[in-house]
Amino acid sequence: KQEVTQIPAALSVPEGENLVLNCSFTDSAIYNLQWFRQDPGKGLTSLLLIQSSQREQTSGRLNASLDKSSGRSTLYIAASQPGDSATYLCAVKGGNSGGSNYKLTFGKGTLLTVNP
Amino acid sequence: DTGVSQDPRHKITKRGQNVTFRCDPISEHNRLYWYRQTLGQGPEFLTYFQNEAQLEKSRLLSDRFSAERPKGSFSTLEIQRTEQGDSAMYLCASSFRGKGTGELFFGEGSRLTVL
Repeated sequence: KQEVTQIPAALSVPEGENLVLNCSFTDSAIYNLQWFRQDPGKGLTSLLLIQSSQREQTSGRLNASLDKSSGRSTLYIAASQPGDSATYLCAVKGGNSGGSNYKLTFGKGTLLTVNP
Repeated sequence: DTGVSQDPRHKITKRGQNVTFRCDPISEHNRLYWYRQTLGQGPEFLTYFQNEAQLEKSRLLSDRFSAERPKGSFSTLEIQRTEQGDSAMYLCASSFRGKGTGELFFGEGSRLTVL
Protein backbone atom coordinates (compact mmCIF):
# COMPACT_ATOMS: atom_id res chain seq x y z
CA LYS A 1 0.00 0.00 0.00
CA GLN A 2 1.35 3.42 -1.02
CA GLU A 3 2.16 5.72 1.88
CA VAL A 4 3.10 9.39 1.59
CA THR A 5 4.95 11.29 4.31
CA GLN A 6 5.52 15.02 4.48
CA ILE A 7 8.18 16.69 6.59
CA PRO A 8 8.03 19.01 8.42
CA ALA A 9 4.43 18.99 9.62
CA ALA A 10 4.64 22.73 10.23
CA LEU A 11 7.08 25.44 9.27
CA SER A 12 7.29 29.11 10.22
CA VAL A 13 9.64 31.44 8.36
CA PRO A 14 10.17 35.20 8.02
CA GLU A 15 9.14 36.86 4.79
CA GLY A 16 11.71 36.69 2.03
CA GLU A 17 13.23 33.35 2.99
CA ASN A 18 13.68 30.51 0.54
CA LEU A 19 12.29 27.24 1.85
CA VAL A 20 11.97 23.56 1.02
CA LEU A 21 9.12 21.20 1.77
CA ASN A 22 9.75 17.48 1.64
CA CYS A 23 7.62 14.57 0.50
CA SER A 24 8.47 10.87 0.47
CA PHE A 25 6.53 7.87 -0.81
CA THR A 26 7.03 4.17 -0.22
CA ASP A 27 6.29 2.69 -3.65
CA SER A 28 8.34 4.23 -6.44
CA ALA A 29 6.17 2.81 -9.26
CA ILE A 30 4.19 6.04 -9.60
CA TYR A 31 2.63 7.68 -12.66
CA ASN A 32 2.95 11.24 -11.44
CA LEU A 33 3.18 13.47 -8.39
CA GLN A 34 1.16 16.60 -7.69
CA TRP A 35 1.73 19.40 -5.20
CA PHE A 36 -1.36 21.23 -3.94
CA ARG A 37 -2.03 24.26 -1.80
CA GLN A 38 -4.95 24.36 0.61
CA ASP A 39 -6.14 27.48 2.43
CA PRO A 40 -8.12 27.01 5.69
CA GLY A 41 -11.59 25.65 5.02
CA LYS A 42 -11.04 25.63 1.28
CA GLY A 43 -10.49 23.11 -1.46
CA LEU A 44 -7.20 22.14 -3.09
CA THR A 45 -5.41 24.24 -5.69
CA SER A 46 -3.03 22.37 -7.95
CA LEU A 47 0.42 23.96 -7.99
CA LEU A 48 2.65 21.63 -9.97
CA LEU A 49 2.46 18.18 -11.53
CA ILE A 50 5.52 16.11 -12.31
CA GLN A 51 5.22 13.08 -14.57
CA SER A 52 7.18 9.99 -13.57
CA SER A 53 9.58 10.57 -16.46
CA GLN A 54 10.36 14.13 -15.40
CA ARG A 55 12.84 15.43 -12.84
CA GLU A 56 11.37 18.83 -12.07
CA GLN A 57 8.73 21.40 -12.86
CA THR A 58 8.75 25.14 -12.29
CA SER A 59 6.01 27.72 -11.96
CA GLY A 60 6.96 31.23 -10.93
CA ARG A 61 8.62 31.09 -7.52
CA LEU A 62 7.85 27.40 -7.14
CA ASN A 63 10.08 24.52 -8.21
CA ALA A 64 9.25 20.89 -7.60
CA SER A 65 11.70 18.06 -8.07
CA LEU A 66 11.16 14.33 -8.24
CA ASP A 67 13.58 11.50 -7.51
CA LYS A 68 11.41 8.53 -8.28
CA SER A 69 13.99 5.89 -7.50
CA SER A 70 14.48 7.15 -3.96
CA GLY A 71 10.80 7.95 -3.47
CA ARG A 72 11.27 11.65 -2.80
CA SER A 73 10.04 15.01 -3.97
CA THR A 74 10.76 18.52 -2.81
CA LEU A 75 8.86 21.75 -3.25
CA TYR A 76 11.11 24.80 -3.25
CA ILE A 77 9.52 28.21 -2.63
CA ALA A 78 11.71 31.20 -3.39
CA ALA A 79 11.41 34.59 -1.70
CA SER A 80 8.45 33.56 0.45
CA GLN A 81 5.59 36.00 1.03
CA PRO A 82 2.85 36.14 3.71
CA GLY A 83 0.38 35.20 0.99
CA ASP A 84 2.16 31.84 0.67
CA SER A 85 0.86 30.87 4.12
CA ALA A 86 -1.23 27.73 3.64
CA THR A 87 -1.07 23.96 3.91
CA TYR A 88 0.91 22.29 1.14
CA LEU A 89 -0.07 18.75 0.20
CA CYS A 90 1.89 16.23 -1.81
CA ALA A 91 0.03 13.45 -3.65
CA VAL A 92 1.18 10.57 -5.83
CA LYS A 93 -0.78 8.72 -8.49
CA GLY A 94 -0.23 4.96 -8.67
CA GLY A 95 2.34 2.89 -6.89
CA ASN A 96 -0.14 0.64 -5.08
CA SER A 97 1.63 -2.57 -6.08
CA GLY A 98 0.98 -2.00 -9.74
CA GLY A 99 -2.45 -0.58 -9.10
CA SER A 100 -4.44 2.32 -10.36
CA ASN A 101 -3.31 5.01 -12.74
CA TYR A 102 -6.04 7.33 -11.51
CA LYS A 103 -6.06 7.40 -7.69
CA LEU A 104 -4.07 9.95 -5.70
CA THR A 105 -2.58 9.09 -2.31
CA PHE A 106 -1.97 12.15 -0.16
CA GLY A 107 0.38 13.07 2.63
CA LYS A 108 -0.91 14.93 5.68
CA GLY A 109 0.56 18.21 4.50
CA THR A 110 2.95 20.86 5.73
CA LEU A 111 1.41 23.93 7.37
CA LEU A 112 3.47 26.92 6.24
CA THR A 113 3.36 30.28 7.97
CA VAL A 114 5.26 33.19 6.46
CA ASN A 115 5.61 36.04 8.92
CA PRO A 116 5.76 39.66 7.69
CA ASP B 1 -14.96 27.00 -17.75
CA THR B 2 -15.56 27.69 -14.07
CA GLY B 3 -13.73 24.69 -12.65
CA VAL B 4 -15.14 21.99 -10.37
CA SER B 5 -18.25 23.14 -8.54
CA GLN B 6 -19.63 21.61 -5.33
CA ASP B 7 -22.91 22.22 -3.55
CA PRO B 8 -23.68 22.87 -0.77
CA ARG B 9 -20.50 24.33 0.65
CA HIS B 10 -21.62 23.74 4.20
CA LYS B 11 -24.18 21.35 5.66
CA ILE B 12 -25.14 20.97 9.32
CA THR B 13 -27.39 18.05 10.11
CA LYS B 14 -28.57 15.98 13.02
CA ARG B 15 -27.41 12.45 13.52
CA GLY B 16 -29.59 9.99 11.64
CA GLN B 17 -30.55 12.36 8.83
CA ASN B 18 -29.67 11.81 5.18
CA VAL B 19 -27.54 14.30 3.25
CA THR B 20 -26.65 14.63 -0.42
CA PHE B 21 -23.77 16.50 -2.02
CA ARG B 22 -23.50 17.43 -5.67
CA CYS B 23 -20.40 17.85 -7.81
CA ASP B 24 -20.21 19.39 -11.28
CA PRO B 25 -16.85 18.57 -12.86
CA ILE B 26 -14.98 20.50 -15.52
CA SER B 27 -17.08 19.96 -18.63
CA GLU B 28 -14.76 17.87 -20.79
CA HIS B 29 -13.44 15.75 -17.93
CA ASN B 30 -14.46 12.10 -18.05
CA ARG B 31 -13.03 11.06 -14.67
CA LEU B 32 -14.60 12.12 -11.38
CA TYR B 33 -13.42 11.39 -7.86
CA TRP B 34 -14.73 11.81 -4.32
CA TYR B 35 -12.37 12.25 -1.38
CA ARG B 36 -12.93 12.84 2.32
CA GLN B 37 -10.73 15.01 4.49
CA THR B 38 -10.79 15.28 8.26
CA LEU B 39 -9.03 17.93 10.30
CA GLY B 40 -5.25 17.70 10.11
CA GLN B 41 -5.27 14.86 7.62
CA GLY B 42 -4.73 14.61 3.90
CA PRO B 43 -7.70 13.74 1.66
CA GLU B 44 -8.61 10.04 1.52
CA PHE B 45 -9.97 8.40 -1.63
CA LEU B 46 -13.62 7.34 -1.51
CA THR B 47 -14.71 6.48 -5.04
CA TYR B 48 -14.01 7.06 -8.73
CA PHE B 49 -16.08 7.26 -11.92
CA GLN B 50 -15.00 7.04 -15.50
CA ASN B 51 -17.90 8.53 -17.43
CA GLU B 52 -20.98 7.03 -15.75
CA ALA B 53 -19.29 3.85 -14.51
CA GLN B 54 -18.25 3.66 -10.87
CA LEU B 55 -14.98 1.74 -11.14
CA GLU B 56 -13.71 1.69 -7.58
CA LYS B 57 -15.08 2.15 -4.07
CA SER B 58 -12.86 2.48 -1.04
CA ARG B 59 -13.43 0.39 2.07
CA LEU B 60 -14.07 3.76 3.74
CA LEU B 61 -17.33 3.91 1.81
CA SER B 62 -19.70 2.01 4.06
CA ASP B 63 -23.14 0.79 2.99
CA ARG B 64 -24.57 4.11 4.16
CA PHE B 65 -22.71 5.91 1.39
CA SER B 66 -23.77 5.87 -2.25
CA ALA B 67 -22.44 7.80 -5.20
CA GLU B 68 -23.86 8.17 -8.67
CA ARG B 69 -22.93 9.83 -11.92
CA PRO B 70 -26.03 9.07 -14.00
CA LYS B 71 -25.17 10.70 -17.29
CA GLY B 72 -21.45 10.91 -16.99
CA SER B 73 -21.63 14.57 -16.07
CA PHE B 74 -22.47 15.70 -12.51
CA SER B 75 -22.22 13.35 -9.55
CA THR B 76 -24.01 13.01 -6.23
CA LEU B 77 -22.74 11.56 -2.96
CA GLU B 78 -25.45 10.56 -0.51
CA ILE B 79 -24.89 9.65 3.11
CA GLN B 80 -27.77 7.89 4.83
CA ARG B 81 -28.34 7.81 8.60
CA THR B 82 -25.47 10.17 9.27
CA GLU B 83 -23.19 9.60 12.25
CA GLN B 84 -20.93 12.06 14.05
CA GLY B 85 -17.93 10.30 12.54
CA ASP B 86 -19.12 11.37 9.10
CA SER B 87 -18.25 14.99 9.91
CA ALA B 88 -15.59 15.95 7.40
CA MET B 89 -14.89 17.91 4.24
CA TYR B 90 -16.07 16.03 1.15
CA LEU B 91 -13.98 16.94 -1.87
CA CYS B 92 -14.75 16.29 -5.50
CA ALA B 93 -12.14 16.27 -8.25
CA SER B 94 -12.12 15.68 -11.98
CA SER B 95 -9.56 14.88 -14.64
CA PHE B 96 -9.38 13.93 -18.29
CA ARG B 97 -8.38 10.43 -19.35
CA GLY B 98 -6.71 10.70 -22.70
CA LYS B 99 -4.41 13.35 -24.02
CA GLY B 100 -3.03 15.57 -21.32
CA THR B 101 -1.25 15.27 -18.04
CA GLY B 102 -3.90 13.49 -15.98
CA GLU B 103 -3.86 16.39 -13.54
CA LEU B 104 -6.65 16.37 -10.97
CA PHE B 105 -8.60 19.54 -10.31
CA PHE B 106 -10.48 19.87 -7.04
CA GLY B 107 -13.57 21.81 -6.04
CA GLU B 108 -13.97 23.92 -2.92
CA GLY B 109 -15.44 21.02 -0.98
CA SER B 110 -18.63 20.43 0.98
CA ARG B 111 -18.16 20.60 4.74
CA LEU B 112 -20.46 18.31 6.72
CA THR B 113 -21.11 18.75 10.43
CA VAL B 114 -23.19 16.07 12.13
CA LEU B 115 -24.57 17.09 15.52
